[in-house]
Amino acid sequence: GAGVSQSPSNKVTEKGKDVELRCDPISGHTALYWYRQSLGQGLEFLIYFQGNSAPDKSGLPSDRFSAERTGGSVSTLTIQRTQQEDSAVYLCASSLVVAGVSEQYFGPGTRLTVT
Amino acid sequence: AQSVTQLGSHVSVSEGALVLLRCNYSSSVPPYLFWYVQYPNQGLQLLLKYTTGATLVKGINGFEAEFKKSETSFHLTKPSAHMSDAAEYFCAVSDSYGNKLVFGAGTILRVKS
Repeated sequence: GAGVSQSPSNKVTEKGKDVELRCDPISGHTALYWYRQSLGQGLEFLIYFQGNSAPDKSGLPSDRFSAERTGGSVSTLTIQRTQQEDSAVYLCASSLVVAGVSEQYFGPGTRLTVT
Repeated sequence: AQSVTQLGSHVSVSEGALVLLRCNYSSSVPPYLFWYVQYPNQGLQLLLKYTTGATLVKGINGFEAEFKKSETSFHLTKPSAHMSDAAEYFCAVSDSYGNKLVFGAGTILRVKS
């Protein structure tokens, strides 16, 4: 079946502009995660959605970052007033619970370059 | 707080040789442990996971890992490396249910012919 998809695959933006990154999770997965992968910081958790519960935003690095998940499916990560340090690969994952443990399936990522 | 340390940012082995990628974790609660592999320009793929029960865990592509609580380790091994194993490998820990993964810095595996 179809895996997690993300769009765009690459995004180049100018410093100060806003960007939106999209994630389409695997159908039927109730949980959705965003991570950031950068050279300096490695892989970092950003935000987590589970069903209708309030999202866990504890990993968002600043208030310029926000995310929403509409209809329990598609998610959009928005970065306002982008800075050069926001350049990274943004990975989305969705999860299926197997034997009580969430197995996260990752998308290919969106490579964001802020110039 | 949880953390993961992967010893060796780069590991090089010959084709057919043993692969050993080291991972040590820190966790104040019983950990759930994961190994992921990332091929160039691709997302992460789950290799194997440890939750509870048997401490030797077998995964895909011939990889396995052993959870050693006394050593706080979860090293990844494969008896015989293939060229196709060349990739970056990430060890990760979560506190429960596999949510909010905390990743190590990654180890790039190079396989020489």
